[in-house]
Amino acid sequence: NAGVTQTPKFQVLKTGQSMTLQCAQDMNHNSMYWYRQDPGMGLRLIYYSASEGTTDKGEVPNGYNVSRLNKREFSLRLESAAPSQTSVYFCASSRRGELFFGEGSRLTVL
Amino acid sequence: LAKTTQPISMDSYEGQEVNITCSHNNIATNDYITWYQQFPSQGPRFIIQGYKTKVTNEVASLFIPADRKSSTLSLPRVSLSDTAVYYCLVGDGPGNAGNMLTFGGGTRLMVKP
Repeated sequence: NAGVTQTPKFQVLKTGQSMTLQCAQDMNHNSMYWYRQDPGMGLRLIYYSASEGTTDKGEVPNGYNVSRLNKREFSLRLESAAPSQTSVYFCASSRRGELFFGEGSRLTVL
Repeated sequence: LAKTTQPISMDSYEGQEVNITCSHNNIATNDYITWYQQFPSQGPRFIIQGYKTKVTNEVASLFIPADRKSSTLSLPRVSLSDTAVYYCLVGDGPGNAGNMLTFGGGTRLMVKP
């Protein structure tokens, strides 16, 4: 019973490099989310997807793009990484207000 | 977009009951109220959810007044392992599914021996 799976778990990038964080859920949930959490801070919503084929900006979307590839998968792309994007990224899916989180992806941008 | 307000931090001692209140003045009619617990380096974990009145499970109780503009998470007889950050979220109710689920600052609970 995998739940929400994120890859990679750790990544180090240089400024200006691009990368994609992958997220997949096996609970048949319609809604999926990407959050970031900086050290000692709360979670901030980057993008979310209410259903397959739709995506919407959250609180801090600048510097990111997303793709809802199908009902299971929701990817987050950094086109040109910046040190300010160093953070832990959490993917989640939801059903009836209950969020199910992945283990997180720790990204460091040098 | 329903915002939430919680105390930044609370201290307690082992064995005491802890009550954390969350204010959500502009909650929508159909929004759920859901509480999460987060330990360092982990994603938030579901604790309890309610819509109105009182809900109880094996780890906590949730009290919601009739106007639903606030809610109180009650943790009975806390232990050191309950030291964590606690968040309340509102949203994603029937007819309002898939909306922006945003976290407030959370409440950092420190349980002392």
